[in-house]
Amino acid sequence: QVQLVESGGGVVRPGGSLRLSCAASGFTFKTYGMHWARQAPGKGLEWLAFVPYDDSNKYYGDSVKGRFTISRDNSRETLFLQMSGLRPEDTAVYFCAKDLKGYFDSGSPLGDWGQGTLVTVSA
Amino acid sequence: DIQLTQSPSSLAASVGDRVTITCQASQDISYYLNWYQHKPGKAPKLLIYDADRLDVGVPSRFSGSGSGTHFTLTISSLQSEDIAAYFCHQYDNLPFTFGQGTRLEIK
Repeated sequence: QVQLVESGGGVVRPGGSLRLSCAASGFTFKTYGMHWARQAPGKGLEWLAFVPYDDSNKYYGDSVKGRFTISRDNSRETLFLQMSGLRPEDTAVYFCAKDLKGYFDSGSPLGDWGQGTLVTVSA
Repeated sequence: DIQLTQSPSSLAASVGDRVTITCQASQDISYYLNWYQHKPGKAPKLLIYDADRLDVGVPSRFSGSGSGTHFTLTISSLQSEDIAAYFCHQYDNLPFTFGQGTRLEIK
């Protein structure tokens, strides 16, 4: 079955950088678009970024555009989120998620999610 | 960006009750609206996609309806395991957006 396992979270100082990874298994990774989303403490879900199955483009939410970079390595079946210029308001649990529908280059419902990794931005 | 407004923000109901949550979009999003269930410490779970399609394995007591700007998620007979937060999500336009969530509790 589909498994998505996030890693790379931790404590980082404001202005710092961190790279999150999402190891995928149980499906043909290269045929599905992938997303990152997050949930800050006591808040709702926030969509962050999307990369299509063919890595043809990258899309970002307004709050992370210019600071975060989504990427994928289809040979390693891994999704990444490079985060820089981190702020205290970026403190959250970060989730990766897989498109429900394959071969969509503009995104589809988020069909499967990982358990998340916690990022804490604090001095 | 498309804004999604959910109501209510929290809700207490009894086991067996019919529960309805609404999601209003700031512009026409056709049927590109999904509903997720999220329990603390767990991965969010897709319940309904494309406004009214039940995802595989989701109990039939969950249903979705609507199109354009107004959508609803209904639980026909609330069970104790349904206690969670529920979020709507649009994928009509990038950037995708979520509603602010509805916290469902047992009365």
